[in-house]
Amino acid sequence: DAKTTQPTSMDCAEGRAANLPCNHSTISGNEYVYWYRQIHSQGPQYIIHGLKNNETNEMASLIITEDRKSSTLILPHATLRDTAVYYCIVRVDPKGGYQKVTFGTGTKLQVIP
Amino acid sequence: DARVTQTPRHKVTEMGQEVTMRCQPILGHNTVFWYRQTMMQGLELLAYFRNRAPLDDSGMPKDRFSAEMPDATLATLKIQPSEPRDSAVYFCASGLPPGPAYFGPGTRLTVL
Repeated sequence: DAKTTQPTSMDCAEGRAANLPCNHSTISGNEYVYWYRQIHSQGPQYIIHGLKNNETNEMASLIITEDRKSSTLILPHATLRDTAVYYCIVRVDPKGGYQKVTFGTGTKLQVIP
Repeated sequence: DARVTQTPRHKVTEMGQEVTMRCQPILGHNTVFWYRQTMMQGLELLAYFRNRAPLDDSGMPKDRFSAEMPDATLATLKIQPSEPRDSAVYFCASGLPPGPAYFGPGTRLTVL
């Protein structure tokens, strides 16, 4: 799986959009971008994933650059409950079944009142 | 709302004792993962199964750890004998390709 690079930490004001970047410059054509988050000591929570088109769900939006070398997770209106560590992961086409998924160190997002 | 369940949620034991952690994957999911999380190492993949067969357990210390899926509704992770360095939170996750993997709440293990 391709390696990802994320900032160690970020702050965001409550109610504002949180934009979390991820660099995956070695991504292959069949690798998807996944985002998870981990709130305090809970289990990681799936947020969103995509291949090359932008994706949106009830939790967030995922913007993938045209060259697919980087992506941004957007939380449109951050709340205090969004304070968590956010992990960006890339892995091969899940239609073929899962391969090993490893987590990096992630970005610690602090939402400030 | 289907969820991965793990038992026990907390376990305190003494060095040398056997520890068994259990996971019930989401019904219908055919892939199960075991992860371990510590402050120093972060989230480490220990092993994963597809259709109950182990696909990769290279992340697991072989001499003391074992993972099995006796049936489709139960995955187990055993440590025998346990050591203080095994203290961590152990997460189970399940998924059904092409969907994402979903994590359980974890078992917090403390080995004294």
